[in-house]
Amino acid sequence: QSALTQPASVSGSPGQSITISCTGGSSDVGLYESVSWFQQLPSKAPQLIIYDVSDRPSGVSNRFSGSKSGNTASLTISGLQADDEADYYCSSYSSTTAHVVFGGGTRLTVL
Amino acid sequence: DVQLVQSGAEVKKPGESLKISCKASGYSFTNYWIGWVRQMPGKGLEFMGVIYPGDSDTRYSPSFQGQVTISADKSITTASLQWSSLTASDTAFYYCARLKNRSPPDFWGQGTLVTVSS
Repeated sequence: QSALTQPASVSGSPGQSITISCTGGSSDVGLYESVSWFQQLPSKAPQLIIYDVSDRPSGVSNRFSGSKSGNTASLTISGLQADDEADYYCSSYSSTTAHVVFGGGTRLTVL
Repeated sequence: DVQLVQSGAEVKKPGESLKISCKASGYSFTNYWIGWVRQMPGKGLEFMGVIYPGDSDTRYSPSFQGQVTISADKSITTASLQWSSLTASDTAFYYCARLKNRSPPDFWGQGTLVTVSS
């Protein structure tokens, strides 16, 4: 069982927006402003798309945005495109384990 | 540019030993942590442990303590993940990643597939 909870799957049509939630606790997501999101395309390594809750690395589309409220972080993808179809993982540092923890991953299907 | 280049795929038999590597470039190797992440077939990401090459401080996730050894060689800016006796359950992709203190990874290697089969 993963330390952070994500929905197993989400889907949306091209052009729509979707939101993926990531629920942790007061010792990880709720405590740190360092929540990150990763996109993993099929047979590829994970790639950072959001860091520090809502910042985007250079080169990442502004269709990806992040936010946090309490113990839950969220990733929103607007203007869905076919090549957004991938697995998405959230991650945070945990004061309980003194390690990085990951969510279980969410598979995005673009209908 | 930051780059983490991992060694190639490995096929091993149960009981064999293995060391895979992660060559870092494009940043100060001794000022960031290097972590290892396991991804079993069709599964999610699992954090194994980290090393700080600056002073070799090494920390393992409880699930992996005693199962693997993480090391780093500053002279060649390379981190390694090592097994003394592989089992079939070690079959997975292994990723190295760069981390700042108390933060998730920001750069990832391309992954190394380890297959353990008799």
